[in-house]
Amino acid sequence: AQTVTQSQPEMSVQEAETVTLSCTYDTSENNYYLFWYKQPPSRQMILVIRQEAYKQQNATENRFSVNFQKAAKSFSLKISDSQLGDTAMYFCAFKGLSANAGGTSYGKLTFGQGTILTVHP
Amino acid sequence: DGGITQSPKYLFRKEGQNVTLSCEQNLNHDAMYWYRQDPGQGLRLIYYSQIVNDFQKGDIAEGYSVSREKKESFPLTVTSAQKNPTAFYLCASSGRPSSYNEQFFGPGTRLTVL
Repeated sequence: AQTVTQSQPEMSVQEAETVTLSCTYDTSENNYYLFWYKQPPSRQMILVIRQEAYKQQNATENRFSVNFQKAAKSFSLKISDSQLGDTAMYFCAFKGLSANAGGTSYGKLTFGQGTILTVHP
Repeated sequence: DGGITQSPKYLFRKEGQNVTLSCEQNLNHDAMYWYRQDPGQGLRLIYYSQIVNDFQKGDIAEGYSVSREKKESFPLTVTSAQKNPTAFYLCASSGRPSSYNEQFFGPGTRLTVL
């Protein structure tokens, strides 16, 4: 079974600064996807960024980028020029692609425990 | 607008009652999912369905039941057998399970047992 670990329950950062959220995962699969979701106080889950495991290039989306280290099974999220609207809970998620749908991770997301990020003015 | 709707937003249940949470999507997605979120914790998968008339148990299915009679709808029933049902429930949908596409989430239902 896959596990996703976010070791930082809470983080804080000053507006306009950079912060990195950590995520590690454990899997025996070679092909999978990784995601970072954001859950603001409204509790609506919003996709921040995604990464395909077979791509070596790190994904970027505007101020958000990842550091994907496949061998180390690490998938950290870097937020540059932090804004007050970035205050939220951030979840790392793993999506396996094993073709055996019964009892495996096929198509399902496994989430980490989340990191609460507070951006201070 | 395409999206996922969940109702009600808040739900109160008395001990021993069954309640049903609604989830509807108009994204033409094949797969739908139910998650439970407890305070300060991540999302845990209750049930999922990859196609109409078929569904699978997730990691915490005990005390819950679902149906998938229509592509657009995936209601979740919280039965009296669920001993600690107070939580935030999120419904999600996605395209083909093998696709790169992410899961899209509804706004959630907050269930409180009185």
